[in-house]
Amino acid sequence: SAVISQKPSRDICQRGTSLTIQCQVDSQVTMMFWYRQQPGQSLTLIATANQGSEATYESGFVIDKFPISRPNLTFSTLTVSNMSPEDSSIYLCSVEVRAPANTGELFFGEGSRLTVL
Amino acid sequence: QKEVEQNSGPLSVPEGAIASLNCTYSDRGSQSFFWYRQYSGKSPELIMFIYSNGDKEDGRFTAQLNKASQYVSLLIRDSQPSDSATYLCAVRGWGKLQFGAGTQVVVTP
Repeated sequence: SAVISQKPSRDICQRGTSLTIQCQVDSQVTMMFWYRQQPGQSLTLIATANQGSEATYESGFVIDKFPISRPNLTFSTLTVSNMSPEDSSIYLCSVEVRAPANTGELFFGEGSRLTVL
Repeated sequence: QKEVEQNSGPLSVPEGAIASLNCTYSDRGSQSFFWYRQYSGKSPELIMFIYSNGDKEDGRFTAQLNKASQYVSLLIRDSQPSDSATYLCAVRGWGKLQFGAGTQVVVTP
């Protein structure tokens, strides 16, 4: 498994501002992902954070709105830009851990709950 | 059609009974299947994974996979109030993990 630390754990933001969420993992991992979970909904993948290169975004998500950095194998940031109330959500960092059995499970951070007023 | 489908519930289960959760998926090439438990206000935690057809048991949990029917299930035996949570089915094909909407389970004393 992996220990994943996310901060902030929650924040209340004003419309039009931007917020950066940090994700720190206690071990080097190959795959890091950012998910969004809107109230009462399941998880939606925003993007795969690639170390040393641009993130790979899923349909419906763009770099200008959700810029992502991953400078090394243990750290990533997600910025939610020019926020609107529709961005109120929980944002989750996750990592894939490949055990010797190559199971490839995802482990999640505690999430960052954003409320945009 | 959603790629991973689950009944949203809530599924009400008496304490001590068996909770049965179902999940179907559309991608016939899917190779690995996961069950996550998510308590309210918390992040998902992995409780089971399965790759091969048949049953896999871990404590009070049993995952069942039928690739021909594109169906995966989770049984929770001797349900406890602490099992009250939302259970997310996740399916991996080539690359990313697809999540279902989750089934809310409520275990009643």
